[in-house]
Amino acid sequence: NAGVMQNPRHLVRRRGQEARLRCSPMKGHSHVYWYRQLPEEGLKFMVYLQKENIIDESGMPKERFSAEFPKEGPSILRIQQVVRGDSAAYFCASSGLFYEQYFGPGTRLTVT
Amino acid sequence: KQEVTQIPAALSVPEGENLVLNCSFTDSAIYNLQWFRQDPGKGLTSLLLIQSSQREQTSGRLNASLDKSSGRSTLYIAASQPGDSATYLCAVEGRGSTLGRLYFGRGTQLTVWP
Repeated sequence: NAGVMQNPRHLVRRRGQEARLRCSPMKGHSHVYWYRQLPEEGLKFMVYLQKENIIDESGMPKERFSAEFPKEGPSILRIQQVVRGDSAAYFCASSGLFYEQYFGPGTRLTVT
Repeated sequence: KQEVTQIPAALSVPEGENLVLNCSFTDSAIYNLQWFRQDPGKGLTSLLLIQSSQREQTSGRLNASLDKSSGRSTLYIAASQPGDSATYLCAVEGRGSTLGRLYFGRGTQLTVWP
């Protein structure tokens, strides 16, 4: 049973470009969570999704950030018009209903 | 708003010592508490999960306790080894409208030297 998969593992974008981060949950998991770890800071919750639904997006910046978890395929975290302050490690986790969250290896985004 | 604090921020010990890592949280209305390990540049590995109705969980040399009423959890590591060197993170999951949301502490960076 493969774990949570994230790709790419490292992503470099210039200011103003778009970043797309992908997350494939563990087999059988229908709940996906995104977290961000800024340099020298703790992990912060961004968004919680189920298939085709956003359950809680209270931790996501209102502008430039969006997330989806379609019926088929991976969950996508999209950052439009990236700025240097978006440079961080982005982690995805998945779970079954009311079970513990399992984390992927993360995507390290660098904005130049 | 839930705040999670971990003490100490860093710990450096010789191999073989028994260790105590502390975690405190401000809102006792939690669904569960998890301890994770994070190696540099890597993802998080779940170590132990304690449901809000439980008092402790054990896995090998690790034991975690939970006192929900006082907002505290402790992770004990017995007979530490150099391979235990990592950052240890404590996270609590909210209830109700915040179910599914993990609130993390900033971690304890542990170094075990031979």
